[in-house]
Amino acid sequence: AQKITQTQPGMFVQEKEAVTLDCTYDTSDQSYGLFWYKQPSSGEMIFLIYQGSYDEQNATEGRYSLNFQKARKSANLVISASQLGDSAMYFCAMRDDNAGNMLTFGGGTRLMVKP
Amino acid sequence: DSGVTQTPKHLITATGQRVTLRCSPRSGDLSVYWYQQSLDQGLQFLIQYYNGEERAKGNILERFSAQQFPDLHSELNLSSLELGDSALYFCASSTFGQAEAFFGQGTRLTVV
Repeated sequence: AQKITQTQPGMFVQEKEAVTLDCTYDTSDQSYGLFWYKQPSSGEMIFLIYQGSYDEQNATEGRYSLNFQKARKSANLVISASQLGDSAMYFCAMRDDNAGNMLTFGGGTRLMVKP
Repeated sequence: DSGVTQTPKHLITATGQRVTLRCSPRSGDLSVYWYQQSLDQGLQFLIQYYNGEERAKGNILERFSAQQFPDLHSELNLSSLELGDSALYFCASSTFGQAEAFFGQGTRLTVV
């Protein structure tokens, strides 16, 4: 069974600084995908970034990058130059490519950006 | 805007009642997923449909059922509602060859 662990229930970051949100995962499969989603207070789930297990380079999407360390089974999200609008819940998720495309989510990290 | 539409946005109902949540996937997406987000259980996968057929089942109660229609919209039916069913229910859609699933804005169900 897959498991996603986010050990930081809440974090503060100063505006314009970078922040790393931790995510570790557990799977015995070789083919899988890792995702990060943002959930602002309004409730919607916004896709941020994706990393495939066979991708050799870390994924980047604008100010978001995913620090993928396969041997350590970690997929940390790095947000550069934090903005006030980045304050939200962030969820790490994994998709097992051999068991359908459903996502298994971690418990989330609440990020608060201070002005 | 993700392109996934869920209705209604909010729903308040009494224990023992039955409700239907509706989802229209992004244009061209054949897969629809339903997720439940509650305070105690977090985000959990419920069920997946692909082009009208059930593809995968997660932690879905027997009181809950879903279907996907020929026009690809999907409905999640929740019956004999209990207080613990109060949650945010998300629909997501994806298509073959696409990594990410796009989520709708969710339906917030409150059972009183």
